[in-house]
Amino acid sequence: DVKVTQSSRYLVKRTGEKVFLECVQDMDHENMFWYRQDPGLGLRLIYFSYDVKMKEKGDIPEGYSVSREKKERFSLILESASTNQTSMYLCASSLGQGALEQYFGPGTRLTVT
Amino acid sequence: AQSVTQPDIHITVSEGASLELRCNYSYGATPYLFWYVQSPGQGLQLLLKYFSGDTLVQGIKGFEAEFKRSQSSFNLRKPSVHWSDAAEYFCAVAPRSGTYKYIFGTGTRLKVLA
Repeated sequence: DVKVTQSSRYLVKRTGEKVFLECVQDMDHENMFWYRQDPGLGLRLIYFSYDVKMKEKGDIPEGYSVSREKKERFSLILESASTNQTSMYLCASSLGQGALEQYFGPGTRLTVT
Repeated sequence: AQSVTQPDIHITVSEGASLELRCNYSYGATPYLFWYVQSPGQGLQLLLKYFSGDTLVQGIKGFEAEFKRSQSSFNLRKPSVHWSDAAEYFCAVAPRSGTYKYIFGTGTRLKVLA
């Protein structure tokens, strides 16, 4: 089975802190994604990566950056956390081009106070 | 604009009753179509997908969905709901070429009464 793991299930940070959310997949997938999930808004794509060191902005990239130095790991970075970034963050991965099924991690619930 | 609409935010059904969750999409061409389920505290799990061919698609956990091109719909159904089906359900679409970007609906939360 594909496994996508996220470094923390729950995280509490203060406004202005730099926050790192880590995601690791174990199935050699090319593509990795970071989503934000908010009630009533569904899932919104923040960034995705289709190869090591390659990234593309999603629908809501403002206030976020990403890093993909190794194929299995995709990090989401909040440079200066703000209260409006309190949310559930979901990581996903999928196999190469044409294989569209995405596999999701359990999520990180981030609270910024 | 491309969009996915799940008109029902909450649905409550009794255990053993049938279920239909609605999904409509607005897209330039017929996209790939998906249904995902999210149990409390969990990530999303794929229930089923439609790429082409038979418009009635079977998925896991006894779910099925029917693609209707004329109505731009992809409704999810289950003949008899179990208490363990209580979860949030998301419809999603993705383009047949180009980017890998999904567009998700806002979700339908299902409550099952014993």
